[in-house]
Amino acid sequence: KAGVTQTPRYLIKTRGQQVTLSCSPISGHRSVSWYQQTPGQGLQFLFEYFSETQRNKGNFPGRFSGRQFSNSRSEMNVSTLELGDSALYLCASSFQASGRRTGELFFGEGSRLTVL
Amino acid sequence: KQEVTQIPAALSVPEGENLVLNCSFTDSAIYNLQWFRQDPGKGLTSLLLIQSSQREQTSGRLNASLDKSSGRSTLYIAASQPGDSATYLCAVPEGSAGGTSYGKLTFGQGTILTVHP
Repeated sequence: KAGVTQTPRYLIKTRGQQVTLSCSPISGHRSVSWYQQTPGQGLQFLFEYFSETQRNKGNFPGRFSGRQFSNSRSEMNVSTLELGDSALYLCASSFQASGRRTGELFFGEGSRLTVL
Repeated sequence: KQEVTQIPAALSVPEGENLVLNCSFTDSAIYNLQWFRQDPGKGLTSLLLIQSSQREQTSGRLNASLDKSSGRSTLYIAASQPGDSATYLCAVPEGSAGGTSYGKLTFGQGTILTVHP
């Protein structure tokens, strides 16, 4: 069974540009969450999607957005990039169905974004 | 607001030692607690998940315990090896069993473990 797949793994952008990151969850997982990891702030929650609906959102500016497709794949977008957006962006998926839910999250390898 | 703290921040031990990593959380009404491992520049690997009704979980040389009443969890690593060198993170989901956001985890800052030969 394939794990969580994130693309691209590495990317370099300049300030003011925008970026789109993609995440394919484990087959059968309908919940996808996104996290930002930086040396100073650690791991911070961005948002969670379940069945194409945003279920929760972290404390990030509106430049950060996301969506989930009918096949559970998810994308996140960051517009008007700032130097401080340089980080490892991690996606996680989990299996959630009524009566069958452990809450265990499985993470991908991440997308390393560098903003110059 | 849930806060998660991990002690120590860093730990360096010789190969073969048994060691304990600590995790504490401020709100004891948790649904579960998960321990992860992260190698440099990599994603997170799930090590152990303890449900709120459980006291401990074991996987190979790893044993995690949970004491909800005191807001603590420990990860015990037996007979440590150089390959165990990594950052270890603990995390809890927001909310409780009645209304848990399973995908929204609060993480500790991690313990950087170095096991030298």
